[in-house]
Amino acid sequence: RKEVEQDPGPFNVPEGATVAFNCTYSNSASQSFFWYRQDCRKEPKLLMSVYSSGNEDGRFTAQLNRASQYISLLIRDSKLSDSATYLCVVNRYSSASKIIFGSGTRLSIRP
Amino acid sequence: GAVVSQHPSRVICKSGTSVKIECRSLDFQATTMFWYRQFPKQSLMLMATSNEGSKATYEQGVEKDKFLINHASLTLSTLTVTSAHPEDSSFYICSARDFNSPLHFGNGTRLTVT
Repeated sequence: RKEVEQDPGPFNVPEGATVAFNCTYSNSASQSFFWYRQDCRKEPKLLMSVYSSGNEDGRFTAQLNRASQYISLLIRDSKLSDSATYLCVVNRYSSASKIIFGSGTRLSIRP
Repeated sequence: GAVVSQHPSRVICKSGTSVKIECRSLDFQATTMFWYRQFPKQSLMLMATSNEGSKATYEQGVEKDKFLINHASLTLSTLTVTSAHPEDSSFYICSARDFNSPLHFGNGTRLTVT
């Protein structure tokens, strides 16, 4: 079982829809969490950090559930430009800090 | 603007040659830099983690003698693909951070070995 798991998708939704992704992590030593987006043939870019209390940035809302060990990303009023792969990233610290990537969830927004 | 600069963005080389890729943090000191490889339609795969002034830690299955990593300063790490072969053709991406800050990525290097 992978340490960080995501539904690979693809999610194909109409413009204006609300879409949500989950990401589960298995190591309870995980400390910090992020969502990145990656466009085709480009490098990942930070979308938002995920805080324990949940946080919102415009149409994007991220939440963390430590008890169930998952994070989520909600996109409201989706735009065509939201089409990308969304990567869940977990930073854990045991003997050393380590960044773990999920394999990504592909999102396609259709007109 | 970009906080991590990666160079070159694209390189084509002949089989058997070596290729060096540079990764620079522009406005912060990168205590840790990471190197990834990504094949088409696949996820990022971590190759190695490097801390300034110490040897890189390679992930299982990554040959350290083939992928030489140097992190001699807090703003520069290099990845050298030695004796490149066509199967090394891939998208190589570096990332850097300062302690627990989010990762910042370079814009990647597309390597094609003919």
